[in-house]
Amino acid sequence: KQEVTQIPAALSVPEGENLVLNCSFTDSAIYNLQWFRQDPGKGLTSLLLIQSSQREQTSGRLNASLDKSSGRSTLYIAASQPGDSATYLCAVRRASSASKIIFGSGTRLSIRP
Amino acid sequence: GAGVSQSPSNKVTEKGKDVELRCDPISGHTALYWYRQSLGQGLEFLIYFQGNSAPDKSGLPSDRFSAERTGGSVSTLTIQRTQQEDSAVYLCASSFGGRVSGNTIYFGEGSWLTVV
Repeated sequence: KQEVTQIPAALSVPEGENLVLNCSFTDSAIYNLQWFRQDPGKGLTSLLLIQSSQREQTSGRLNASLDKSSGRSTLYIAASQPGDSATYLCAVRRASSASKIIFGSGTRLSIRP
Repeated sequence: GAGVSQSPSNKVTEKGKDVELRCDPISGHTALYWYRQSLGQGLEFLIYFQGNSAPDKSGLPSDRFSAERTGGSVSTLTIQRTQQEDSAVYLCASSFGGRVSGNTIYFGEGSWLTVV
């Protein structure tokens, strides 16, 4: 059974710092991994998708890496801004069942001005 | 439409009543998902539709929950005899379908259900 874990559950850092959010999964047989952002009271916004054959993806100040063998992904945020404050979730699409996308419980990020 | 549209955005209902939640996916997306997110919790998979294939209903928590997708587009999630533990935000998502690894999924804003 695929399980997705995100640690820490919450993180608070001062503005301008570079930071890393962690995501781990128990079954390395995945199709892809996707990082999302969720603002309070809102739906999820897709940030980056990494296919199983890829090692990393970049978009602006965001960089996501994938290490399937160790069951880990990281989301790197450079030069953090107060507007980055949100909950960040990772989600894994399993290779054994393309339908099921398993989500972690998220990291609630707060950037202090 | 430009994005995934869900209605109603908020619903307060009395315990025991039935509710229907609607999802209108992005035009051209053949895959449609329903998830549930309770307060402060992660996303719980409910059901998945892909084209004309039989839906994956393995995440539905009880037989009070059902969903249909008409014409391969709009989907309705129905909860019968609602209970207080059904209170949550119900999120719908869509993507281009099939077992293609590169398919990004897009979420609606959710339907916030409160059972009193």
